Amino acid sequence: QSALTQPASVSGSPGQSITLSCTGTSSDVGGYNYVSWYQQHPGKAPKVMIFEVSNRPSGVSNRFSGSKSGNTASLTISGLQAEDEADYYCSSYTSTGTPVFGTGTKVTVL
Amino acid sequence: QVQLVESGGGVVLPGRSLRLSCAASGFTFSNYGMYWVRQAPGKGLEWVAGIWYDGSNKYYGDSVKGRFTISRDNSRNTLYLQMNSLRADDTAVYYCAREIALAWGFYFDFWGQGTLVPVSS
Repeated sequence: QSALTQPASVSGSPGQSITLSCTGTSSDVGGYNYVSWYQQHPGKAPKVMIFEVSNRPSGVSNRFSGSKSGNTASLTISGLQAEDEADYYCSSYTSTGTPVFGTGTKVTVL
Repeated sequence: QVQLVESGGGVVLPGRSLRLSCAASGFTFSNYGMYWVRQAPGKGLEWVAGIWYDGSNKYYGDSVKGRFTISRDNSRNTLYLQMNSLRADDTAVYYCAREIALAWGFYFDFWGQGTLVPVSS
């Protein structure tokens, strides 16, 4: 199972909106509505931000939203804040019943 | 509150073995599937192994199949990863993660702080 494809880096100014993409295949992203997104600050454990494509866990800011079209899922961060600077990983359920992670995107707040 | 605490990491020679543990607390451990996910230095996340809530089914990533074994002791609320024939490219921080099972898929809602395993001579 190959890793899902994410852009290496995305940047934006405070207050702006940015969108991160996550491209897979019909055997993972395109085949199931089980895409999740994780935020990871340096030296810290990942934290789930979105599950089932667009659901936010309790406690996660509504500035984070998710969507999917075909084989590509997206995470949008609105009203970008300094604390949003981190690495973001997507993950999907796959046809083998196991997960696959994305390559990761480094978000920089300018 | 939910806590996952990994232990057992440390420098190990290539070809040797190591066993990682993940002590769970704050929830009914026997109700949840669990996973090991690793992250090589400066690299992305890679799932290593998963196990059902009762230990009846186990899954392994291609890179560790045949060398690593995941297990659990629900009476001790502990998850394990036995790693044999370690290689330099197994060097990583190893996280345990709790799985939330959905109708067909799942996601990981809690992660431990990780334990570092450097494989080096």
